[in-house]
This record gives sequence, structure tokens and C-alpha cells, in this order.
Amino acid sequence: NAGVTQTPKFQVLKTGQSMTLQCAQDMNHEYMSWYRQDPGMGLRLIHYSVGAGITDQGEVPNGYNVSRSTTEDFPLRLLSAAPSQTSVYFCASRRDRSYNEQFFGPGTRLTVL
Amino acid sequence: GEDVEQSLFLSVREGDSSVINCTYTDSSSTYLYWYKQEPGAGLQLLTYIFSNMDMKQDQRLTVLLNKKDKHLSLRIADTQTGDSAIYFCAAEAGGYQKVTFGTGTKLQVIP
Repeated sequence: NAGVTQTPKFQVLKTGQSMTLQCAQDMNHEYMSWYRQDPGMGLRLIHYSVGAGITDQGEVPNGYNVSRSTTEDFPLRLLSAAPSQTSVYFCASRRDRSYNEQFFGPGTRLTVL
Repeated sequence: GEDVEQSLFLSVREGDSSVINCTYTDSSSTYLYWYKQEPGAGLQLLTYIFSNMDMKQDQRLTVLLNKKDKHLSLRIADTQTGDSAIYFCAAEAGGYQKVTFGTGTKLQVIP
């Protein structure tokens, strides 16, 4: 199993540009989520999904969209990038509510100029 | 919402024990977690404890939970240079999608 994969590893955008961060898992996990990691802030939940076709907002959803058309994929879309979205983004998956461990991808480092 | 707080930095000598502390605010937290993040990598679960337990031991790791004070600690015995990383405390309350992470404690192990 590849686990949780994320692409790209690094990205530089200009203010106002849009892009999609890709996340995929091959463990047939129900639950997937996106976090951002900022210095001194820990990880903050952006959006999450409890299954294909079901998504919900986390703590900091503004400026981001998600969709979950398949169990495997959970892309994160930045509609109009802003410097405040400069961060490291992590995708995570969890088998289901009865299983405690979240598996994290290696992260995408995004810089918005 | 829940707040989870940790000190930012800890330095220990190789072979000593490390103790990383964490406090949380939501008394209904059911699971408390410790994750490890190595440079350039994602988080990896080290261990977790259910809220009705006081202690959990797993090889060199000991987790202590004081539910009354909402205080969690992670003790690493015989700390090695490979233990150098950032350690995140996390608390789960109100459902499995509601996991709140602390800011992380950077552990530096001096040879």
C-alpha cells in the first residue's frame, strides 16, 4: 500500500491564482480530512469527508472547496489564492469511526506571493 | 471549541528520559493522542489513551492522563537521537471528526 499520497510537494502561486491540491489513499478508508499547519498554530482542520459524496467544514474552511467523488480521492481547491493561505497542507485518512489512527500524507508546502 | 496547549521546545541528553506535557480544555474529550512529526514528513501516531485510563505504557513510551486537571504527558525513556522530532498532542471530543491538535513540542536530543 502507498498509504496517503499528496501532490505536489511544493507549489508557489501568485495572489488570485487557483489550484488543486491532490490527495489519494489506497486503504479504502471512509474518513478523509485536510489540515493546514502554521507556525505556533498546530494543525487546523479545513474540511473533512466521512464517505464518498459527503463533505463538511472544519475549523478554517473559508477560501477552500473540497469534493469526494470516490473513496480514494479528496482534492482541495483554492479558488483565489491569498498570502494568508501560505502554509503546509496535510491530508489524512482514517478507516472509520471505530478505528483511532489517522494516517497522514507527506504534506504540500504552498507559498502565495 | 477545544484548546490544546503544549510547550514549544524541550532539550534532553541522549539516554535521559523526556517528558512532554499537554493540557486540554474540553472535559468531554474521549481520546487523547500523541503524534510524532519528523522533518519534512507527515504526522505519525505514536500512541493514544482512552479517557477512562490513567496510564498506558508501550515499550519506551508512557502516557499519563490526569483527567481532573485535563493534563496529559508523554514520557520517553532512554531518549535517543532518533527521537528528535516534533511531538503533537491531540484531543478528540464530540465525534471522531473533532480532533484538535496542539502546537507541537520540538524535542532536541543532545548526543
